[in-house]
Amino acid sequence: AQSVTQLGSHVSVSEGALVLLRCNYSSSVPPYLFWYVQYPNQGLQLLLKYTTGATLVKGINGFEAEFKKSETSFHLTKPSAHMSDAAEYFCAVSAPAYSGAGSYQLTFGKGTKLSVIP
Amino acid sequence: DTGVSQDPRHKITKRGQNVTFRCDPISEHNRLYWYRQTLGQGPEFLTYFQNEAQLEKSRLLSDRFSAERPKGSFSTLEIQRTEQGDSAMYLCASSYPSGTSVYEQYFGPGTRLTVT
Repeated sequence: AQSVTQLGSHVSVSEGALVLLRCNYSSSVPPYLFWYVQYPNQGLQLLLKYTTGATLVKGINGFEAEFKKSETSFHLTKPSAHMSDAAEYFCAVSAPAYSGAGSYQLTFGKGTKLSVIP
Repeated sequence: DTGVSQDPRHKITKRGQNVTFRCDPISEHNRLYWYRQTLGQGPEFLTYFQNEAQLEKSRLLSDRFSAERPKGSFSTLEIQRTEQGDSAMYLCASSYPSGTSVYEQYFGPGTRLTVT
């Protein structure tokens, strides 16, 4: 079974400040990890993913995340927040098909709402 | 690439009525997923198709729920005898057939269901 914990349901940062959204996962097999963003009344948009290879992954809109196996974490960061970053962010985990541990379904955390203060 | 589309975007129904939602995936995607998202929660997996075959169903998908993808293209999700607890956003997603891109799910805008 897999699970995701996102610390902080609501994070506020000033415009231009560092954004750090925390995600910890639990998985019995090497995980595939994702961050999605959701704007009000819209679907989810993929920001970035980790499957294999480099543990620091870069995504769209200046976001990046680092997979740390020892800490079971996949925190999302952005050096400088912009007003347009205000949205809800979801971390998700999937089990690789080769692991035999499950299908391609995503297991999501409860989300972190990011507010950007001008 | 026109993206995943869902219809309707909003549905208000009375308890006990049946409702049906439609999802049109990205054309070259052969995998299609349904999720449910309630207020303050992340999306929860309901079911998944590879082409026309429904390969997995969550325990959340009670007997009142049925999903189809008859020709491996669009999909429908039907809820019979709706209950107030069914009120949620229903999200559809699709993904490519192969490689690690199969794990990249592209989401539609969702159908928001309100049961009164």
